[in-house]
Amino acid sequence: GQGVEQPDNLMSVEGTFARVNCTYSTSGFNGLSWYQQREGHAPVFLSYVVLDGLKDSGHFSTFLSRSNGYSYLLLTELQIKDSASYLCAVRMPNYNVLYFGSGTKLTVEP
Amino acid sequence: EAGVTQSPRYAVLQEGQAVSFWCDPISGHDTLYWYQQPRDQGPQLLVYFRDEAVIDNSQLPSDRFSAVRPKGTNSTLKIQSAKQGDTATYLCASSPPGQISNERLFFGHGTKLSVL
Repeated sequence: GQGVEQPDNLMSVEGTFARVNCTYSTSGFNGLSWYQQREGHAPVFLSYVVLDGLKDSGHFSTFLSRSNGYSYLLLTELQIKDSASYLCAVRMPNYNVLYFGSGTKLTVEP
Repeated sequence: EAGVTQSPRYAVLQEGQAVSFWCDPISGHDTLYWYQQPRDQGPQLLVYFRDEAVIDNSQLPSDRFSAVRPKGTNSTLKIQSAKQGDTATYLCASSPPGQISNERLFFGHGTKLSVL
C-alpha cells in the first residue's frame, strides 16, 4: 500500500503560524500536493511541489525533502478562518493519481 | 468554466438497499476518479478512468460496488447492497490531459451517504 502519514490535530493562535507535517513512503513519486478541506466541502487545492526545498506562496509555503519522504505546509499570520483540515497527497507518476493522508485538523484560536 | 458536478448531495439508506451516485466532470478532462472519504479520514481512491476505460479498480469492493463511464464523460458509481461501513462521503474528481500542465485534481462537492 501507499503510506502517507499526518498528525490528527494541530492547534495554534491567531496571528502566529502553524506547520502541518507529512511523511510518506510510496512506490512512486511525482510530486506532493496540499489541499484544504472545510467540514462538508470538497478539498481545495493549495500547493504542489516536486523539487526539494521551500516554495513560498505567501500565506501558504510548502517544503519538500524527497530523500527523507517529508513535507510540511506552513501557514503564516494565521486567521481564525484558516481553521480547517489540511490534506497531504502524494501524486503518482501515472494518471495523476493522488494518495491522501488522513488530514490534519488545524484549530486557530483567538 | 463549470466545475465537477455530483448528485445527489445526500443519501440515507437502510442496510441492503442500493444507491447510485452520478458525476459530471469538467469538459475536456479525460481522467475521472472516485474517492471514498469516511468521516475524519482522508479520501481513499476507489477507481479511476481514462476516457471510458477503467485503469485501476483494485480498491473497489467488487462484490457490491461498480463504476462505469460509458462515453468517457459522465460516470456512475453504484452500491448494490449497502452496509453501515459504507457510510462516507463519495468524492468525484477529474483532471485534464497531460502530465505537465496540470498539477491538481478538481473535486466535486461529494455525495454524503449514511447507511442506517
